[in-house]
Amino acid sequence: ETGVTQTPRHLVMGMTNKKSLKCEQHLGHNAMYWYKQSAKKPLELMFVYNFKEQTENNSVPSRFSPECPNSSHLFLHLHTLQPEDSALYLCASSQDYSGWSHNEQFFGPGTRLTVL
Amino acid sequence: KQEVTQIPAALSVPEGENLVLNCSFTDSAIYNLQWFRQDPGKGLTSLLLIQSSQREQTSGRLNASLDKSSGRSTLYIAASQPGDSATYLCAALSGGYNKLIFGAGTRLAVHP
Repeated sequence: ETGVTQTPRHLVMGMTNKKSLKCEQHLGHNAMYWYKQSAKKPLELMFVYNFKEQTENNSVPSRFSPECPNSSHLFLHLHTLQPEDSALYLCASSQDYSGWSHNEQFFGPGTRLTVL
Repeated sequence: KQEVTQIPAALSVPEGENLVLNCSFTDSAIYNLQWFRQDPGKGLTSLLLIQSSQREQTSGRLNASLDKSSGRSTLYIAASQPGDSATYLCAALSGGYNKLIFGAGTRLAVHP
């Protein structure tokens, strides 16, 4: 148990559906992250929120829409997805979004998304 | 731009062997280097974090080393067990922010 939870754990959706992924951290951290892990590819950073402000968007298509209402919660809203968006979506948190040697990211269990 | 490479991509060994997993990175200006374990379909579990000023970290049967000048880190697993079977990922923290750059992982299978 890392202190980062994600729901749902599995999600199957059609291309015309709208769904949301939820992440919650109980570690008192100020930065939260969304990563995408596709088959046989390295983890890709999608979004970063630091103190509720979006600080990174790695050229993610607009059909993925993040939301961070407070430092403990992070959402990923999904609409009109494509089959190639099927992947494991991982949430992580850290003390903040700054580069220092002790700054460690803690990961949730992920949501396995399948787009039909 | 930081790139992280892990060799080998897959490894299958009998129980009891000592293993070395390799990780290399192109930009030596890192804050730390992290090793994670990922079981199939699951999230990442942090194993070891080596700060840029450190040379190695140990936890139980795991030992990770860091050589910034050569851009390499190794994860040593002593006396491997079937329960060690998983994918092992290394990630370099660099770029002025808490941006982790991941390798593609080494898939380890330890058979009885």
